[in-house]
Amino acid sequence: DAEITQSPRHKITETGRQVTLACHQTWNHNNMFWYRQDLGHGLRLIHYSYGVQDTNKGEVSDGYSVSRSNTEDLPLTLESAASSQTSVYFCASSESQGGADTQYFGPGTRLTVL
Amino acid sequence: AQKVTQAQTEISVVEKEDVTLDCVYETRDTTYYLFWYKQPPSGELVFLIRRNSFDEQNEISGRYSWNFQKSTSSFNFTITASQVVDSAVYFCALSAPPRDNFNKFYFGSGTKLNVKP
Repeated sequence: DAEITQSPRHKITETGRQVTLACHQTWNHNNMFWYRQDLGHGLRLIHYSYGVQDTNKGEVSDGYSVSRSNTEDLPLTLESAASSQTSVYFCASSESQGGADTQYFGPGTRLTVL
Repeated sequence: AQKVTQAQTEISVVEKEDVTLDCVYETRDTTYYLFWYKQPPSGELVFLIRRNSFDEQNEISGRYSWNFQKSTSSFNFTITASQVVDSAVYFCALSAPPRDNFNKFYFGSGTKLNVKP
């Protein structure tokens, strides 16, 4: 069955370290998204991609970067982790553009920055 | 601007009670899509339903039903005869049309449902 996976599921790191969160989907979806979920803020969009070599900033992109070298993967990198980036991170994918397609979410990664 | 409001932060009911989760949205667009997701204590986000703005017909799926009313900009979710397994955070989301050129979702802040045995 097609699915979307994230790794690691839990990560503890120190302030200033570079961290990469992996997202892999086997739906063959064009669109992929990264969100963070914090109490009181719901889900906020960090970065998104429409396809290979395409990346775009979301509403809370500062301190994060992504790259899309193939259809299946969209890794999220925290260049220099900060305590404010402690959060739960969700990856999602959808089939095509148009505002119509359901986004399917991965299981999430809980990141703690000490 | 697109916005989704879930005014109920937390609701507690006793098993077998019916419960309605409210979702009010704002958009100037005539074409849009509405979604509900469930986030159980295990943390994953589970897709429940998608509804487009041209289809106001209510949807029923087992104990779940959805009432879409454009006149009040609402897309409410009712669980009939609630069960403990329904305990979760429920999110309503609005999807913008292609004007933004991508499949952006606007999420509400979520409603936490506690179903007590």
